[in-house]
Amino acid sequence: DTAVSQTPKYLVTQMGNDKSIKCEQNLGHDTMYWYKQDSKKFLKIMFSYNNKELIINETVPNRFSPKSPDKAHLNLHINSLELGDSAVYFCASSQRPVAYDEQFFGPGTRLTVL
Amino acid sequence: GESVGLHLPTLSVQEGDNSIINCAYSNSASDYFIWYKQESGKGPQFIIDIRSNMDKRQGQRVTVLLNKTVKHLSLQIAATQPGDSAVYFCAETWEYGNKLVFGAGTILRVKS
Repeated sequence: DTAVSQTPKYLVTQMGNDKSIKCEQNLGHDTMYWYKQDSKKFLKIMFSYNNKELIINETVPNRFSPKSPDKAHLNLHINSLELGDSAVYFCASSQRPVAYDEQFFGPGTRLTVL
Repeated sequence: GESVGLHLPTLSVQEGDNSIINCAYSNSASDYFIWYKQESGKGPQFIIDIRSNMDKRQGQRVTVLLNKTVKHLSLQIAATQPGDSAVYFCAETWEYGNKLVFGAGTILRVKS
């Protein structure tokens, strides 16, 4: 069974479109994250949710809106996509909202904006 | 050497040799460090961690060394195997921190 899963794996779209990425974890964790990995492989946290509540929001444009319908799911909606949004987006989860807890990453969603 | 395009440092080793991957961290208040391995097309995977009250920690074929004086972290992989080929990241955090800060990554290539 996949612990942290994301859909879709690949997403190719035009500038200006709106798209969503979905994430699910079956680990029973309370905390979920979205990370962005750019073309230089630099990995940076975007958002974190704990028990459906937003706890980290790292200076991300408000075109990005995360939503957590329940503890096991964290989705990322992106409005008005720009070329610079092209990246690999990773979802992760941990037992608690502390960085000392191991984070389990999903396989990533490669977003290409044309 | 450096990998063209990605601008990440690259370490090329022969299968069976030992590998040492280095990381300089930035925050002197950081007290917990983790090494992650990211294989091509996959998400990062936890390898080993170390707290700041330790200098060394060993796992299976891996050892992490921490030098707080110079803010340096290293990952040693013994008897490197082709399956070790990946990008390796160090990450740091601090007491009551709720996020990990990742370093730039190092590409490890294992030659058979």
